[in-house]
Amino acid sequence: EIVLTQSPGTLSLSPGDRASLSCRASQTVSSNYLAWYQQKPGQAPRFLIYGASTRATGVPGRFSGYGSGTDFTLTISSLEPEDFAVYYCQQYASPPYTFGQGTKLEIK
Amino acid sequence: EVQMVESGGGLVQPGRSQRLSCAASGFNIDAYAMHWIRQGPGKGLEWVSGISWNSGTMVYADSVKGRFTISRDNAKNSLYLQMNSLRAEDTALYYCVREYSTSWFPAFDVWGQGTMVTVSS
Repeated sequence: EIVLTQSPGTLSLSPGDRASLSCRASQTVSSNYLAWYQQKPGQAPRFLIYGASTRATGVPGRFSGYGSGTDFTLTISSLEPEDFAVYYCQQYASPPYTFGQGTKLEIK
Repeated sequence: EVQMVESGGGLVQPGRSQRLSCAASGFNIDAYAMHWIRQGPGKGLEWVSGISWNSGTMVYADSVKGRFTISRDNAKNSLYLQMNSLRAEDTALYYCVREYSTSWFPAFDVWGQGTMVTVSS
């Protein structure tokens, strides 16, 4: 099983700041089959990134995914008020299709 | 509008069974693999099970293998999860989700709002 570890657990930033969220895998995620999701309280997760770096339909350009192998990053270039949420990474290279524990992005 | 609506959740006693349903609209599920994902109260996301477009492949998390069965009815545009021998640790909000691709790439672009299953005596 591929274990995904996200850091930090909580990130406190202000609107306009740049956010970098990390996702580290316990073993290589083949073909960079790594996705990112955003979840706001009381809502289902929203699909942001797949293939480590491809934005899903309708996702703003300020969201970018990077990385390969075991180290992946989600960057939000300039935070908007609606970006404060919990973010999860997920690998879909091999079952079980595991998620990280999440990073909470909160307003400072 | 593409959407999925789950039903069948509720309060169930340990050891009993429950069947979840998911009705899709705005698209035909027969082009997609479909999955169930759950989220315990205040917890993160856990992939539970997935099924290919033609039911030829079904996969399960170890935590539910042998107790849960995923199925689908493409004619009814619906997905199901039969849950047997339920345990307290199965308490969660269960989401029905669609893969983003028509091949087997289990990342998920469409999510239902979830149905809550509470296992308690």
